[in-house]
Amino acid sequence: EAGVTQFPSHSVIEKGQTVTLRCDPISGHDNLYWYRRVMGKEIKFLLHFVKESKQDESGMPNNRFLAERTGGTYSTLKVQPAELEDSGVYFCASSQGMDQPQHFGDGTRLSIL
Amino acid sequence: AQSVTQLDSQVPVFEEAPVELRCNYSSSVSVYLFWYVQYPNQGLQLLLKYLSGSTLVKGINGFEAEFNKSQTSFHLRKPSVHISDTAEYFCAVSPTSNTGKLIFGQGTTLQVKP
Repeated sequence: EAGVTQFPSHSVIEKGQTVTLRCDPISGHDNLYWYRRVMGKEIKFLLHFVKESKQDESGMPNNRFLAERTGGTYSTLKVQPAELEDSGVYFCASSQGMDQPQHFGDGTRLSIL
Repeated sequence: AQSVTQLDSQVPVFEEAPVELRCNYSSSVSVYLFWYVQYPNQGLQLLLKYLSGSTLVKGINGFEAEFNKSQTSFHLRKPSVHISDTAEYFCAVSPTSNTGKLIFGQGTTLQVKP
């Protein structure tokens, strides 16, 4: 089976621009998670979808971040406008159930100049 | 709230030597425990998990971990490492009553030298 796929693998944009990251979970996985790792820090939870609904968005840093999962399949994470502190690696993970192991994508490395 | 502390940011070790990567956690509720590994330019891969039962958990690639509730630790061990084990290792917890979100430690880079 195909794993979790993230696009793009690397994005370089200027401060103030908009960027959209995409995650395609493993087929049939209702649970989809976004995490972020800022350089030198730990990986931090951003939010959790169950199908198309946001189950927990307690980790979203501010209202410049917008996550969607229309139709309960792939998800997008949009940053608008991007700030320097948004640089880092954004990981997506999916699982069949909330008590099942999460499968991670390779991440999107976002660089804000 | 939960927190995870990985006591070593880097662990250098020679090939075929044993290794232990330390992990301590803090939580007021019951948690599941995990170890993930990230090889260069790849995503995180699950090494092993503790949900319940036996406190000694065996994972992939010859790794094992022991859950110690009294010391709130979940140290990862391997009796003999290979060059290919060079990677970053992450300890994580997830509250049993929560949404499944993972709380990670800072990561430990294992550097296996020939």
